[in-house]
Amino acid sequence: DSGVTQTPKHLITATGQRVTLRCSPRSGDLSVYWYQQSLDQGLQFLIQYYNGEERAKGNILERFSAQQFPDLHSELNLSSLELGDSALYFCASSVGDDTQYFGPGTRLTVL
Amino acid sequence: AQSVTQLDSQVPVFEEAPVELRCNYSSSVSVYLFWYVQYPNQGLQLLLKYLSGSTLVKGINGFEAEFNKSQTSFHLRKPSVHISDTAEYFCAVRRAGTASKLTFGTGTRLQVTL
Repeated sequence: DSGVTQTPKHLITATGQRVTLRCSPRSGDLSVYWYQQSLDQGLQFLIQYYNGEERAKGNILERFSAQQFPDLHSELNLSSLELGDSALYFCASSVGDDTQYFGPGTRLTVL
Repeated sequence: AQSVTQLDSQVPVFEEAPVELRCNYSSSVSVYLFWYVQYPNQGLQLLLKYLSGSTLVKGINGFEAEFNKSQTSFHLRKPSVHISDTAEYFCAVRRAGTASKLTFGTGTRLQVTL
């Protein structure tokens, strides 16, 4: 158990819909990272937050957005979903510049 | 920018045999290096990491890796594998000294059989 929690574990929805994925980092970790894992793209960095502020952006679509709240949990919002958005979405957290610890992931299936 | 190459997409090996999973990286700045393991239907678990110091790094489950700066490699080794080591292994790199993103390789599927 890494100490990073993600909900829900599985999510099945239809094209055009909007979903929210939630992540709670390890206690004391200020940085939260979101990654997408798909068969064709592999593991790709989406976005990073540090203590409530956006720190870096990767290959994140405009239809996707995220935020980090004062209690440091983070949410990833995916809208106007397409079939190709089906993937595993991971959240990771770290303290400082050390190791990133990953949550169990949310498996999103878009039908 | 950094990049990672894992040359072998699949590595079949018999139980109790040694194994080496190869990882090469590219970066114009100093980096930290990591190996993560992903068991079926699970998240990523840290196996080991190189930040600085000794180039031979020991991790969990009997794995070790050696950082070779001249060859820009960070190969993962285990002297004797078990069935339970069957999983996907990812090499990753991150810019040193900053809380920045991980760049992952495409993964190597280690398949251990009797």
